[in-house]
Amino acid sequence: ETGVTQSPTHLIKTRGQQVTLRCSSQSGHNTVSWYQQALGQGPQFIFQYYREEENGRGNFPPRFSGLQFPNYSSELNVNALELDDSALYLCASTTGGFQETQYFGPGTRLLVL
Amino acid sequence: GENVEQHPSTLSVQEGDSAVIKCTYSDSASNYFPWYKQELGKRPQLIIDIRSNVGEKKDQRIAVTLNKTAKHFSLHITETQPEDSAVYFCAASIGGADGLTFGKGTHLIIQP
Repeated sequence: ETGVTQSPTHLIKTRGQQVTLRCSSQSGHNTVSWYQQALGQGPQFIFQYYREEENGRGNFPPRFSGLQFPNYSSELNVNALELDDSALYLCASTTGGFQETQYFGPGTRLLVL
Repeated sequence: GENVEQHPSTLSVQEGDSAVIKCTYSDSASNYFPWYKQELGKRPQLIIDIRSNVGEKKDQRIAVTLNKTAKHFSLHITETQPEDSAVYFCAASIGGADGLTFGKGTHLIIQP
């Protein structure tokens, strides 16, 4: 196991609702990234947080937002949910930068109806 | 941005044989190339990675090769075993805060 945990494991929402997913990074890891993995696809980079600031973002709209806290836990918030947001959401932590090994959490499976 | 192509999408090999999965990337600035194994319903797990200053890296039955000129890298698994069955993803990164760009995955099936 990687020491990265996520909650909840599964979640069902309806279109238009808002959702918050949580991640607890491995101790000492000050960088966390979030990925969206649609069924049968590779993970897609949403954004990265370093020392509580967003410092990198993939091709995702502003309704995807996040927070990182001093204790290295973090949140992914998605507003105005759409059917296509149904996916496995993974967080990954590292000690800093993408040159370091990224350790993934088990993911949260979100279903939007 | 970076684009990673991965082939094949499905690979079936006999137990004990070797398996090779290939990836190409588009951004010559990419300098970090990890490979992840994902079993059904589980998290991606790093199995090996390589950086652009190295041409080949081995870890027991697993090896990765990188050709920077051609912008492709490959995963080699020798003496395959049933527990090697999974989906394998390659990824590339230019470093900094741009994230990992993943391929679409290869479903490796080990036939007994």
